[in-house]
Amino acid sequence: GQQVMQIPQYQHVQEGEDFTTYCNSSTTLSNIQWYKQRPGGHPVFLIQLVKSGEVKKQKRLTFQFGEAKKNSSLHITATQTTDVGTYFCAGQMGGGSQGNLIFGKGTKLSVKP
Amino acid sequence: DAGITQSPRHKVTETGTPVTLRCHQTENHRYMYWYRQDPGHGLRLIHYSYGVKDTDKGEVSDGYSVSRSKTEDFLLTLESATSSQTSVYFCAIGDRGSTRYGYTFGSGTRLTVV
Repeated sequence: GQQVMQIPQYQHVQEGEDFTTYCNSSTTLSNIQWYKQRPGGHPVFLIQLVKSGEVKKQKRLTFQFGEAKKNSSLHITATQTTDVGTYFCAGQMGGGSQGNLIFGKGTKLSVKP
Repeated sequence: DAGITQSPRHKVTETGTPVTLRCHQTENHRYMYWYRQDPGHGLRLIHYSYGVKDTDKGEVSDGYSVSRSKTEDFLLTLESATSSQTSVYFCAIGDRGSTRYGYTFGSGTRLTVV
């Protein structure tokens, strides 16, 4: 079936280091969304990317959508302990009522102070 | 998020018993979803609803049924619980036509089948 692959599965960083997680789809996406889940919590929507080559920033977070709309990345600059959690990408394969979100398996980020 | 609540938050049940999880929203969203989350598998869609009495299967629907008799309530039933259904279950709401704000997830139900 349709899949969204996300790497790495885990990432351990020292506070202040940068972090990047990548998503890849075998099929063209209509849009991609990013979510953050804190330990013991629920996924929380961060952002949606729709346009080919789109780049959006939220403070230290930079989100990119590939030119072919098949891949995306989330980059965190100078990580902080508050960044700890699992980051999920979710791709929407098509519009209309059949366009369910397909979630990647997530990247679990731990930050050592 | 106050607009979506799940109950119960935790449940332990025995193999073979039926279990119903409830999702309640106050946002009047047309679409509601049930996901399960397991280590190494991320979030997988079980069933979703696109209106009252309108539901469809997701990728892992076997052993589950759903009902939506009112806009605000979406019920997930495990017809005969098995140990493989031990998981964290999340309900979500979100309009498909305009996903600018993404999906809003409930706090989850941690279900243990013994």
